[in-house]
Amino acid sequence: DAMVIQNPRYQVTQFGKPVTLSCSQTLNHNVMYWYQQKSSQAPKLLFHYYDKDFNNEADTPDNFQSRRPNTSFCFLDIRSPGLGDAAMYLCATSRFQRYEQYFGPGTRLTVT
Amino acid sequence: GENVEQHPSTLSVQEGDSAVIKCTYSDSASNYFPWYKQELGKRPQLIIDIRSNVGEKKDQRIAVTLNKTAKHFSLHITETQPEDSAVYFCAASIDGGATNKLIFGTGTLLAVQP
Repeated sequence: DAMVIQNPRYQVTQFGKPVTLSCSQTLNHNVMYWYQQKSSQAPKLLFHYYDKDFNNEADTPDNFQSRRPNTSFCFLDIRSPGLGDAAMYLCATSRFQRYEQYFGPGTRLTVT
Repeated sequence: GENVEQHPSTLSVQEGDSAVIKCTYSDSASNYFPWYKQELGKRPQLIIDIRSNVGEKKDQRIAVTLNKTAKHFSLHITETQPEDSAVYFCAASIDGGATNKLIFGTGTLLAVQP
């Protein structure tokens, strides 16, 4: 089945230790998004790619970076995680000129 | 930029009753309005959406209405069941060209009491 896959599902990292979250998709969608969702809050867009074009949200901290080496994969790098970065990180995809966004299952990040 | 307000933040209904969740948006250029259901610890799932050229859309027990003049849209769930219990998010999309950016409401926790 075509889908959006995120690995790992749960990630524990130490304060200040770099961590990478991954997302892959078999939908062949042009656009990939990364959202941060904290407890009892709505998903907050961090950035998105249209193909290889990167679009950063104005309020996304510099601590968050992303890479998209090919259509299928996208990575979220957190260079120096702080306690406030503990959250669910959701990857989503959509086809160019289509509106529907398809979400992956998320990675729950814990910072100790 | 776009801002989406959602009410109520929590809603408790008896099984079989109807539930209504309302959202307002600020940018008249928004033209796509999806609703997502998110169960605890799971991904948001699209349950219904509406585009600005339509006033109402229905899918079995779920319906969405849109009032472009007033800039608000609502989710209606009839004959609620315990499995409808979840957090529901509305969103509005500003067509930014090649990509669409969803601006989410703050969510409504729906509890359906058996």
